[in-house]
Order: sequence, then structure tokens, then C-alpha cells
Amino acid sequence: QVQLVESGGGVVQPGRSLRLSCATSGFTFKSYGIHWVRQAPGKGLEWVSVISSDGTKKYYADSVKGRFNISRDHSKNTVYLQMTRLRSDDTAVYYCARHGFTTGTTYADYWGQGTLVSVSS
Amino acid sequence: SYVLTQPPSVSVAPGQTARITCGGNNLGSKSVHWYQQKPGRAPVLVVHDDRDRPSGIPERFSGSNSGNTATLTISRVEAGDEADYFCQVWDSSSSHGWVFGGGTKLTVL
Repeated sequence: QVQLVESGGGVVQPGRSLRLSCATSGFTFKSYGIHWVRQAPGKGLEWVSVISSDGTKKYYADSVKGRFNISRDHSKNTVYLQMTRLRSDDTAVYYCARHGFTTGTTYADYWGQGTLVSVSS
Repeated sequence: SYVLTQPPSVSVAPGQTARITCGGNNLGSKSVHWYQQKPGRAPVLVVHDDRDRPSGIPERFSGSNSGNTATLTISRVEAGDEADYFCQVWDSSSSHGWVFGGGTKLTVL
């Protein structure tokens, strides 16, 4: 079965860096884009970033552009989110999600369980 | 950037029908997707492409989209349907990312 498992969250001071991992299994990794979506405590869902199936295309939300970098390792079936210059408003549960698609649209067809990032001094 | 608007809360008695709306400019020209999220859990896709259900999602969940409003309809509501529901579209023009509505808390009375 399709599985996505996030790791790497924790408590970090403002201005520091953290790398999240999304380990996948149960599907052909090289065929799917992967997204990161975050949810601040008690708030809604916010899209963060996406990487294409072959890793050549990467897109970011304006709120993280220039600070976060998404990448993927096909030998490990894993996607990473390198987060730098972290701020208090980056505090959230971070989910990775598989890029489901039909003609002309995309959506998250499978989600990981999430990993909590808390930015605090 | 594109904005999706949802009511913060909807309440319904068990066995009745719940309708959760999602509003956006000319939303009917886009494909809308819906997620259910229970407390402490990851979201789950319940409807994609306005009205299609993934395997394993009960037929009680249905969707529609026209004009400026998409609607998620849950028939014969059960206590287990109590959750937050989010609508989502794909922003094909700028960020290539997903735009989410603010979410609606469904309370089963």
C-alpha cells in the first residue's frame, strides 16, 4: 500500500535550519511529484512546495521562497525539505503528499502522518 | 492569488444532509477537490474533480461545482463524519501549487 512517512521535525531556534524527510513506499516513486503542505496549530492547510517526478521542476509558496529548498533522492525513494532562516510563523505540522492528477488538475491522493516543526527561542 | 472561501462551521443532526460550500471567482471553471481531516490526523481525500470519489469513500459523499460555488454534500450524516473539511484547487497560473479554503468544521449534533 502507498505510504509516506515524514521525519525530521523538532524544536528549533529562529534563524536556524532544519531538514525534513518524506520516505515513500508502495508506488513507483519516479512517476509521481511530491508536495509539502503545512498546518499551523489550530489553522488551515497551506501549500508549501512541490517537486516534479523527475526532480527538474520545483515550485514554492511566496512565504517560503528563497528560504526552503525541496529535493528528491530516487535511490532512497525520499523527498527532502531543507528549511533555512526559520521564523516563528513557520511553526506547523508539515505533511508530505503524493501528487495525484487527472487532466488539467492536481490534488493530494495520499498524505503522510505529518511531522511537527516548532520554531521558538 | 486565488482565494477560496468556506463557512467556518456547519451543524447537522445525525441522519440528515450536510452541505459544505466553497466559494471562488468563476470556480465552476476549475476542478475542486475536498479533504476530510479528523483531530490529530492527516487529511483524507474524499472527493476529487468536483464529484469523483476515491475508492473506499462512501457514496454518501458527493460533490458539485457551478458558477462561483462548489458544494460537498454528505447524506445520512453519521457521528463519525464530524471533522474539518477543506476544499482545494490547483493554481496553474502562478505558483503551480495548491490553494486551500479556510476549512469548515462539521459538527454532528
